[in-house]
Amino acid sequence: RKEVEQDPGPFNVPEGATVAFNCTYSNSASQSFFWYRQDCRKEPKLLMSVYSSGNEDGRFTAQLNRASQYISLLIRDSKLSDSATYLCVVPGEYGNKLVFGAGTILRVKS
Amino acid sequence: DAGVIQSPRHEVTEMGQEVTLRCKPISGHDYLFWYRQTMMRGLELLIYFNNNVPIDDSGMPEDRFSAKMPNASFSTLKIQPSEPRDSAVYFCASSNDRVRLFFGSGTQLSVL
Repeated sequence: RKEVEQDPGPFNVPEGATVAFNCTYSNSASQSFFWYRQDCRKEPKLLMSVYSSGNEDGRFTAQLNRASQYISLLIRDSKLSDSATYLCVVPGEYGNKLVFGAGTILRVKS
Repeated sequence: DAGVIQSPRHEVTEMGQEVTLRCKPISGHDYLFWYRQTMMRGLELLIYFNNNVPIDDSGMPEDRFSAKMPNASFSTLKIQPSEPRDSAVYFCASSNDRVRLFFGSGTQLSVL
Protein backbone atom coordinates (compact mmCIF):
# COMPACT_ATOMS: atom_id res chain seq x y z
CA ARG A 1 0.00 0.00 0.00
CA LYS A 2 1.31 3.43 -0.87
CA GLU A 3 2.07 5.77 2.01
CA VAL A 4 -0.54 8.20 0.72
CA GLU A 5 -3.07 7.95 -2.08
CA GLN A 6 -5.42 10.45 -3.62
CA ASP A 7 -7.96 10.37 -6.41
CA PRO A 8 -6.29 12.51 -9.09
CA GLY A 9 -9.62 13.79 -10.43
CA PRO A 10 -10.27 16.15 -12.02
CA PHE A 11 -13.35 17.09 -10.10
CA ASN A 12 -15.37 19.44 -12.26
CA VAL A 13 -18.02 21.27 -10.23
CA PRO A 14 -20.20 24.35 -10.74
CA GLU A 15 -19.82 27.45 -8.60
CA GLY A 16 -21.63 27.09 -5.32
CA ALA A 17 -21.34 23.34 -5.20
CA THR A 18 -20.01 21.33 -2.28
CA VAL A 19 -17.16 19.00 -3.08
CA ALA A 20 -15.15 16.55 -1.01
CA PHE A 21 -11.87 14.76 -1.51
CA ASN A 22 -10.46 11.83 0.38
CA CYS A 23 -6.90 10.79 1.00
CA THR A 24 -5.85 7.41 2.39
CA TYR A 25 -2.63 6.79 4.30
CA SER A 26 -0.79 3.68 5.39
CA ASN A 27 1.04 4.72 8.56
CA SER A 28 -1.43 4.02 11.34
CA ALA A 29 0.83 5.80 13.83
CA SER A 30 0.55 9.13 12.04
CA GLN A 31 -0.54 11.93 14.33
CA SER A 32 -0.86 14.96 12.16
CA PHE A 33 -1.93 15.56 8.60
CA PHE A 34 -2.11 18.49 6.27
CA TRP A 35 -3.81 19.75 3.15
CA TYR A 36 -1.82 21.94 0.80
CA ARG A 37 -3.12 23.80 -2.18
CA GLN A 38 -1.12 24.26 -5.38
CA ASP A 39 -2.21 26.62 -8.12
CA CYS A 40 -1.08 25.99 -11.67
CA ARG A 41 2.63 26.75 -12.05
CA LYS A 42 2.88 27.92 -8.46
CA GLU A 43 4.31 26.56 -5.24
CA PRO A 44 2.31 24.48 -2.77
CA LYS A 45 0.82 26.45 0.11
CA LEU A 46 -0.43 25.15 3.41
CA LEU A 47 -4.21 25.18 3.45
CA MET A 48 -5.10 23.40 6.67
CA SER A 49 -3.72 21.19 9.38
CA VAL A 50 -5.82 18.17 10.35
CA TYR A 51 -5.72 16.88 13.88
CA SER A 52 -7.71 14.21 15.63
CA SER A 53 -10.67 16.52 16.18
CA GLY A 54 -10.67 17.75 12.60
CA ASN A 55 -10.49 21.36 11.58
CA GLU A 56 -12.79 23.97 10.05
CA ASP A 57 -11.81 27.24 8.42
CA GLY A 58 -14.61 29.14 6.74
CA ARG A 59 -15.83 27.11 3.77
CA PHE A 60 -13.21 24.44 4.31
CA THR A 61 -13.53 21.47 6.65
CA ALA A 62 -10.89 18.80 7.14
CA GLN A 63 -11.64 15.59 8.98
CA LEU A 64 -9.72 12.53 10.09
CA ASN A 65 -10.98 8.96 10.18
CA ARG A 66 -8.39 6.91 12.02
CA ALA A 67 -10.28 3.64 11.83
CA SER A 68 -10.30 3.70 8.04
CA GLN A 69 -7.05 5.66 7.77
CA TYR A 70 -8.20 8.50 5.61
CA ILE A 71 -8.56 12.24 5.80
CA SER A 72 -11.04 14.33 3.91
CA LEU A 73 -11.35 17.89 2.71
CA LEU A 74 -14.79 19.40 2.22
CA ILE A 75 -15.27 22.65 0.35
CA ARG A 76 -18.64 24.33 0.57
CA ASP A 77 -19.97 27.03 -1.76
CA SER A 78 -17.16 26.51 -4.26
CA LYS A 79 -15.65 29.60 -5.86
CA LEU A 80 -13.85 29.89 -9.18
CA SER A 81 -10.75 30.77 -7.18
CA ASP A 82 -10.85 27.37 -5.48
CA SER A 83 -9.68 25.78 -8.73
CA ALA A 84 -6.34 24.22 -7.89
CA THR A 85 -4.64 20.95 -7.04
CA TYR A 86 -5.14 19.84 -3.46
CA LEU A 87 -2.28 17.85 -1.96
CA CYS A 88 -2.70 15.57 1.00
CA VAL A 89 0.36 15.38 3.23
CA VAL A 90 1.09 12.78 5.88
CA PRO A 91 4.12 11.78 7.97
CA GLY A 92 6.23 9.11 6.33
CA GLU A 93 6.57 5.59 7.59
CA TYR A 94 9.33 6.51 10.01
CA GLY A 95 7.76 9.82 10.95
CA ASN A 96 10.79 11.85 10.14
CA LYS A 97 9.56 13.48 6.97
CA LEU A 98 6.40 14.37 5.16
CA VAL A 99 5.02 12.51 2.17
CA PHE A 100 2.97 14.41 -0.37
CA GLY A 101 0.15 12.80 -2.26
CA ALA A 102 -0.02 13.21 -6.01
CA GLY A 103 -2.86 15.68 -5.62
CA THR A 104 -6.52 16.02 -6.59
CA ILE A 105 -7.39 18.50 -9.31
CA LEU A 106 -10.43 20.68 -8.70
CA ARG A 107 -11.98 22.78 -11.44
CA VAL A 108 -14.81 25.10 -10.49
CA LYS A 109 -16.80 26.31 -13.47
CA SER A 110 -19.16 29.25 -13.76
CA ASP B 1 8.69 38.73 5.59
CA ALA B 2 9.85 38.09 2.04
CA GLY B 3 9.19 34.38 2.26
CA VAL B 4 11.46 31.69 0.85
CA ILE B 5 13.49 33.06 -2.02
CA GLN B 6 14.79 30.83 -4.78
CA SER B 7 16.96 31.60 -7.75
CA PRO B 8 17.01 31.34 -10.63
CA ARG B 9 13.31 31.07 -11.54
CA HIS B 10 14.16 29.35 -14.79
CA GLU B 11 17.29 27.52 -15.88
CA VAL B 12 17.92 26.06 -19.29
CA THR B 13 21.14 24.17 -19.74
CA GLU B 14 22.73 21.51 -21.85
CA MET B 15 23.35 17.96 -20.79
CA GLY B 16 26.61 17.61 -18.93
CA GLN B 17 26.66 21.13 -17.55
CA GLU B 18 26.73 21.96 -13.86
CA VAL B 19 23.59 23.49 -12.40
CA THR B 20 23.38 25.32 -9.08
CA LEU B 21 20.07 26.22 -7.51
CA ARG B 22 19.92 28.64 -4.60
CA CYS B 23 17.60 29.17 -1.69
CA LYS B 24 17.19 31.68 1.10
CA PRO B 25 14.85 30.37 3.81
CA ILE B 26 12.57 32.42 6.03
CA SER B 27 14.56 33.98 8.83
CA GLY B 28 14.23 31.99 12.05
CA HIS B 29 13.22 28.74 10.41
CA ASP B 30 15.38 25.83 11.54
CA TYR B 31 14.42 23.41 8.80
CA LEU B 32 15.14 23.60 5.11
CA PHE B 33 13.89 21.17 2.50
CA TRP B 34 14.66 20.56 -1.16
CA TYR B 35 11.88 18.98 -3.23
CA ARG B 36 11.61 18.03 -6.88
CA GLN B 37 8.28 17.96 -8.71
CA THR B 38 7.49 16.19 -11.97
CA MET B 39 4.23 15.11 -13.56
CA MET B 40 5.19 11.46 -13.29
CA ARG B 41 6.46 11.36 -9.71
CA GLY B 42 4.82 14.34 -8.02
CA LEU B 43 6.64 16.07 -5.17
CA GLU B 44 9.66 14.16 -3.95
CA LEU B 45 11.78 15.10 -0.96
CA LEU B 46 15.43 15.17 -1.93
CA ILE B 47 17.07 16.28 1.30
CA TYR B 48 16.36 18.27 4.41
CA PHE B 49 18.48 20.15 6.91
CA ASN B 50 17.97 21.02 10.54
CA ASN B 51 20.09 23.85 11.93
CA ASN B 52 22.23 23.69 8.78
CA VAL B 53 22.98 19.98 9.25
CA PRO B 54 21.77 17.47 6.63
CA ILE B 55 19.39 15.08 8.35
CA ASP B 56 18.02 12.89 5.59
CA ASP B 57 19.43 12.77 2.07
CA SER B 58 17.90 9.43 1.14
CA GLY B 59 15.89 11.11 -1.59
CA MET B 60 18.91 12.41 -3.46
CA PRO B 61 18.80 10.46 -6.73
CA GLU B 62 22.49 9.78 -7.13
CA ASP B 63 25.94 11.16 -6.62
CA ARG B 64 25.39 13.78 -9.27
CA PHE B 65 23.25 15.65 -6.75
CA SER B 66 24.68 17.48 -3.78
CA ALA B 67 23.29 20.02 -1.34
CA LYS B 68 24.90 22.35 1.14
CA MET B 69 23.75 24.75 3.78
CA PRO B 70 26.78 26.79 4.85
CA ASN B 71 24.70 29.05 7.12
CA ALA B 72 21.17 29.59 8.34
CA SER B 73 20.25 31.90 5.48
CA PHE B 74 21.50 30.09 2.42
CA SER B 75 21.42 26.69 0.76
CA THR B 76 22.42 25.32 -2.62
CA LEU B 77 21.44 22.27 -4.62
CA LYS B 78 23.96 21.31 -7.24
CA ILE B 79 23.65 18.87 -10.12
CA GLN B 80 26.86 17.87 -11.85
CA PRO B 81 26.73 16.68 -14.56
CA SER B 82 23.12 17.43 -15.45
CA GLU B 83 21.01 15.05 -17.55
CA PRO B 84 17.70 15.53 -19.41
CA ARG B 85 15.89 13.37 -16.83
CA ASP B 86 16.75 15.98 -14.21
CA SER B 87 14.32 18.38 -15.86
CA ALA B 88 11.73 19.29 -13.23
CA VAL B 89 10.63 22.05 -10.90
CA TYR B 90 12.83 22.21 -7.83
CA PHE B 91 11.30 23.70 -4.71
CA CYS B 92 12.99 24.84 -1.56
CA ALA B 93 10.89 25.06 1.59
CA SER B 94 11.56 26.12 5.14
CA SER B 95 9.81 25.49 8.43
CA ASN B 96 10.16 26.14 12.14
CA ASP B 97 8.44 22.90 13.18
CA ARG B 98 9.30 20.43 10.41
CA VAL B 99 5.69 19.91 9.40
CA ARG B 100 4.30 23.27 8.28
CA LEU B 101 6.31 24.05 5.19
CA PHE B 102 6.64 27.35 3.39
CA PHE B 103 7.71 26.90 -0.21
CA GLY B 104 9.64 29.16 -2.51
CA SER B 105 8.43 29.87 -6.02
CA GLY B 106 10.58 27.09 -7.41
CA THR B 107 13.18 26.78 -10.14
CA GLN B 108 12.03 25.36 -13.47
CA LEU B 109 15.00 23.39 -14.75
CA SER B 110 15.22 22.23 -18.34
CA VAL B 111 18.20 20.12 -19.38
CA LEU B 112 18.48 19.78 -23.13
